Amino acid sequence: IAGITQAPTSQILAAGRRMTLRCTQDMRHNAMYWYRQDLGLGLRLIHYSNTAGTTGKGEVPDGYSVSRANTDDFPLTLASAVPSQTSVYFCASSDSTESNIQYFGAGTRLSVL
Amino acid sequence: GQNIDQPTEMTATEGAIVQINCTYQTSGFNGLFWYQQHAGEAPTFLSYNVLDGLEEKGRFSSFLSRSKGYSYLLLKELQMKDSASYLCAVKDSNYQLIWGAGTKLIIKP
Repeated sequence: IAGITQAPTSQILAAGRRMTLRCTQDMRHNAMYWYRQDLGLGLRLIHYSNTAGTTGKGEVPDGYSVSRANTDDFPLTLASAVPSQTSVYFCASSDSTESNIQYFGAGTRLSVL
Repeated sequence: GQNIDQPTEMTATEGAIVQINCTYQTSGFNGLFWYQQHAGEAPTFLSYNVLDGLEEKGRFSSFLSRSKGYSYLLLKELQMKDSASYLCAVKDSNYQLIWGAGTKLIIKP
């Protein structure tokens, strides 16, 4: 089934630990995105990639890094997790039509203690 | 700054009609999106407006007025499965989406 796969589904992490959230899409979309969603706030863009080999910073990039070695994969790394990074993380990709509709993965629920 | 405003919560009755409003102030405008998000799930695309007017898609319609910075999502013949959050998002001058906090819609029998 075509779509976006995120792993893990959920994770409890000790503060200071390193963590990589995985995201893979099989729709051959050029653009991919990482968002975090917190209660009472809209989705906030962390990092994005318009095409393989390029990445850019979003609204809230501090404490996060990404890479885009190929079209399909877009991992998000927390180098040293802090409690404020407790959130639900969504990966998305967008098609190349004029509207650039974004399609979302099921999300990763991360708790940093 | 950039801002998307929508009501936090709305309640409606099964079978009725509900209108969810969204006002925006963004640096540039390249389209407005509505997404549906059920609790604990991912957002899913509902509609896209780039020109003024009404776009109808089954029970759901979306309206845009660029001069007023205003959109609404109209849901007709409400069903219990329509209980969800509805997210408004605007594509800004950098072609990035700016998201509202979402409107939680509660449907009562």
